Amino acid sequence: GEDVEQSLFLSVREGDSSVINCTYTDSSSTYLYWYKQEPGAGLQLLTYIFSNMDMKQDQRLTVLLNKKDKHLSLRIADTQTGDSAIYFCAVQTDSNYQLIWGAGTKLIIKP
Amino acid sequence: GAVVSQHPSWVICKSGTSVKIECRSLDFQATTMFWYRQFPKQSLMLMATSNEGSKATYEQGVEKDKFLINHASLTLSTLTVTSAHPEDSSFYICSARDHRGISGYGYTFGSGTRLTVV
Repeated sequence: GEDVEQSLFLSVREGDSSVINCTYTDSSSTYLYWYKQEPGAGLQLLTYIFSNMDMKQDQRLTVLLNKKDKHLSLRIADTQTGDSAIYFCAVQTDSNYQLIWGAGTKLIIKP
Repeated sequence: GAVVSQHPSWVICKSGTSVKIECRSLDFQATTMFWYRQFPKQSLMLMATSNEGSKATYEQGVEKDKFLINHASLTLSTLTVTSAHPEDSSFYICSARDHRGISGYGYTFGSGTRLTVV
């Protein structure tokens, strides 16, 4: 089955760009999502990308998709303290509505 | 946008009692709802998928008699943790998908329920 992997931690300085990476194994993945989870809270959909797209930009967020390498990334420009959270990559295939989740990357902001 | 309301946000219960968690889609009809469990510092684990009007589909290793799921209407799904024990303490999150199947909206998540069994 599908496997989704992320590194567990990322530390960046306030004001720098953060790049969170995600790899997946199923080439038939159709929709790829990024979710944000703040401590003790539920998940917030940040952005998503369809498999027929290479890039999507939404304000400070840029998603890049490399289908050949099955690699997805989320770039947060001008990282702020409010961006501190765990970021989950989730992948969906056409076969069902379930999402396969990465373990989440904890973004740590240094002053 | 789509909103899912999950209650309660947190609950403390005694060992052996049952706890019900509700998940409501407020402005859309959700034919399918998912229930997840999250252990500290770990990713989400899908427990079960519930479809309105039919029995839930449980993931391997999840006890269906312990985690009762009811999806009686298009806007409400409930998860009941029966005879709760301390090892059931966790963060439970529901997720719903708009029945219109507009995939671009992704999934809408509830705010989660932190269950502590003492």
